[in-house]
Amino acid sequence: NAGVTQTPKFQVLKTGQSMTLQCAQDMNHNSMYWYRQDPGMGLRLIYYSASEGTTDKGEVPNGYNVSRLNKREFSLRLESAAPSQTSVYFCASRTGANTEAFFGQGTRLTVV
Amino acid sequence: GENVEQHPSTLSVQEGDSAVIKCTYSDSASNYFPWYKQELGKRPQLIIDIRSNVGEKKDQRIAVTLNKTAKHFSLHITETQPEDSAVYFCAASIRGNQFYFGTGTSLTVIP
Repeated sequence: NAGVTQTPKFQVLKTGQSMTLQCAQDMNHNSMYWYRQDPGMGLRLIYYSASEGTTDKGEVPNGYNVSRLNKREFSLRLESAAPSQTSVYFCASRTGANTEAFFGQGTRLTVV
Repeated sequence: GENVEQHPSTLSVQEGDSAVIKCTYSDSASNYFPWYKQELGKRPQLIIDIRSNVGEKKDQRIAVTLNKTAKHFSLHITETQPEDSAVYFCAASIRGNQFYFGTGTSLTVIP
């Protein structure tokens, strides 16, 4: 089992460019999450999908959109990247509300 | 949403001593409280979790305590070892599958 797989691992964007971060899990999990990690600020929830067909905003959704393509895949899109979106992005998934979340390996994004 | 506060932000201990990290949460509906360890450049990984119907849970050198009345929970690591050095995150999970993390504690175990 691969677990949670994120692509790409590294990306450099110019201000105003768009891109999509991909996340896929092979554990048949219902819920999927996108977080950003910045020094001193922990993991902040951007968007989550409690189940296939639903998405909801987290703490810091501005500048992002998501798509739960199917049960396996949950993508994060930056329509017009800004330097403030420079961060490490983690995708996570879990079976349900009171269960362990498994993380992908992260995507280090730099916006110049 | 939930507000999870974590203290301290940095912690240094001598090898063999104990380390304690504390978290508070704001939403009384929170019912699942995991702790994650993140080594440098790696993904966070679960080390222990506790559910709201339990007050304490132990796993070898690691324990977590939960006080639902006061809305706080703590991680206790005994007999610390250099390989315990990492960043530790607490989290709280509430209805609707929302899942929020604290700001992290950087633990350094000095040999």
